[in-house]
Amino acid sequence: DTGVSQDPRHKITKRGQNVTFRCDPISEHNRLYWYRQTLGQGPEFLTYFQNEAQLEKSRLLSDRFSAERPKGSFSTLEIQRTEQGDSAMYLCASSLEFTLGNEQFFGPGTRLTVL
Amino acid sequence: SQQGEEDPQALSIQEGENATMNCSYKTSINNLQWYRQNSGRGLVHLILIRSNEREKHSGRLRVTLDTSKKSSSLLITASRAADTASYFCATDQLHSGNTPLVFGKGTRLSVIA
Repeated sequence: DTGVSQDPRHKITKRGQNVTFRCDPISEHNRLYWYRQTLGQGPEFLTYFQNEAQLEKSRLLSDRFSAERPKGSFSTLEIQRTEQGDSAMYLCASSLEFTLGNEQFFGPGTRLTVL
Repeated sequence: SQQGEEDPQALSIQEGENATMNCSYKTSINNLQWYRQNSGRGLVHLILIRSNEREKHSGRLRVTLDTSKKSSSLLITASRAADTASYFCATDQLHSGNTPLVFGKGTRLSVIA
């Protein structure tokens, strides 16, 4: 399967703990995006990378959140000192620069529950 | 913030009927896309319409775009139970250089067999 993969699919943690999620994009895609989706809402943009460079961050990305894409391939999203409000589905997507239309391919998501 | 607003929020129809969902957005765009999301899963791209296009078809899907009204519609013809999902419109802003998509809140479609 050459689609976008995310790991883990589910994460339950206690408030105050740190969590890290991983995303593996489609191999030839140089753009990678993180979105957050809460119940009953559409995905909201968090941050995106072009190759290894983090080009944009949303105001939703507080200083407890950090994302990396060290070699321009997979990416990690870390949340430090988790809060109950961080409970959401975290979606990763990838796309290829210069693709007409900006179609993004999404992974299955990581569902985070903070107790 | 979410740019798109889908209407209706929820729609329930019988199998075989057509389903129409609408989307409105706020700023000028390059493209508008529709995605489907099955419960608790990732999003699947359905169709993209460029800002200079007015209508596009793909199988049982028909999308229209009215840039003067900043609105789009998605029509699913001859619906099936497997079409039950949430449908989202997503836009990227004009001159943004293919940066992040802005999604609406979605329409939850239920197709009853």
